[in-house]
Amino acid sequence: EAQLLESGGGLVQPGGSLILSCEASGFTLSSYSMTWVRQAPGQGLEWVSSISGSDSSTYYADSVKGRFTISRDNSRNTLFVQMNSLRAEDTAVYFCAKGSRGVYDIWGQGTMVTVSS
Amino acid sequence: QSALTQPRSVSGSPGQSVTISCTGTSSDVGGYNYVSWYQHHPGKAPKLMIFDVSKRPSGVPDRFSGSKSGNTASLTISGLQADDEADYYCCSHAGVSNVFGGGTKLTVL
Repeated sequence: EAQLLESGGGLVQPGGSLILSCEASGFTLSSYSMTWVRQAPGQGLEWVSSISGSDSSTYYADSVKGRFTISRDNSRNTLFVQMNSLRAEDTAVYFCAKGSRGVYDIWGQGTMVTVSS
Repeated sequence: QSALTQPRSVSGSPGQSVTISCTGTSSDVGGYNYVSWYQHHPGKAPKLMIFDVSKRPSGVPDRFSGSKSGNTASLTISGLQADDEADYYCCSHAGVSNVFGGGTKLTVL
């Protein structure tokens, strides 16, 4: 069964950095496009970033461009997002998901990131 | 990258049908046949219910259907059941990005 498991969330001060991980099982992560989606408290889902399965092209929402970097380690079957210059508005549950073009068929349970002093 | 517009809430009685709309622009909903819908029970992982406007993943009952006209997509749920109560989000491809709707809370009365 294909599964995704996020980790790395926590409390970080404004301006700080955090790396989230998403370990895949039951499928080969490098064969698919992968995506990060977040949900701020009481808010809706927001697409954050995607990485292409074919050529590893990366794509970012305007709200995180220049601050977040998506990547993957094929040997560990793991997706990452490096988050720098964190702001209060980045506080959210971060989900990783398998898929592209808005079609995400496998989701993790999410990891909470809180940006606060 | 403005969020797609969905009604904040809809409701219906068991057995009835409800339709949730999702309005975007020609740069997203109207420009691509890549609209998907997600069911989200708070605290759980979102679940893909419809993709490519009207296709259902394996295991999703045919009570769920999708359509699109111009810049507006719609999700129709027929034969409402209690466990359909959840938040529903549309999502559209938009070229180099993707955009979600603001979400609709479905209440089964």
